[in-house]
Amino acid sequence: QKEVEQNSGPLSVPEGAIASLNCTYSDRGSQSFFWYRQYSGKSPELIMFIYSNGDKEDGRFTAQLNKASQYVSLLIRDSQPSDSATYLCAAPNSGNTGKLIFGQGTTLQVKP
Amino acid sequence: DVKVTQSSRYLVKRTGEKVFLECVQDMDHENMFWYRQDPGLGLRLIYFSYDVKMKEKGDIPEGYSVSREKKERFSLILESASTNQTSMYLCASVADSYEQYFGPGTRLTVT
Repeated sequence: QKEVEQNSGPLSVPEGAIASLNCTYSDRGSQSFFWYRQYSGKSPELIMFIYSNGDKEDGRFTAQLNKASQYVSLLIRDSQPSDSATYLCAAPNSGNTGKLIFGQGTTLQVKP
Repeated sequence: DVKVTQSSRYLVKRTGEKVFLECVQDMDHENMFWYRQDPGLGLRLIYFSYDVKMKEKGDIPEGYSVSREKKERFSLILESASTNQTSMYLCASVADSYEQYFGPGTRLTVT
């Protein structure tokens, strides 16, 4: 059974700091990873995806993939209170069905 | 932008009622999914569909059925609603690259 693991948190950081969210996965064959942000009471929103080793930057967000160590991380620079949410990591399941395996999510709290 | 809509944001039903939840996407995606999300349990896959009239069970299909008569529309049916089906129901439409786009969700309460 493939797994995607995240620390549930909460991770608390002060406003303006860098928030680092981590995710590990069990399937060495996983090629791509997705980060979703979910505000309380709302649906998940896709914010980043990464397909290759290394870093991918988009504004204040950087996704990092390390296939050898089987982890993927999301860095949020200059964290804002509006970044307070649960962040879900996901990886494709096997087969060509579009299925994703989601982690349980990490709750981030950015304190003003 | 991908747009996924769900028929209701909030729904209250009585035990034993038949409940229909509808999801519509506008991106001509082949694959569509239904999840439920409960505190502490994360996202759990109920059913998915990879083409019109094609469906597969997910991890927790018991008590549910689905219908996909048109490519853009995927319906989740609770045959006889029970209180343990009180949950947030999320529909997702999936691009070829596995990117899943979620609808706003339906918070269903069964009393």
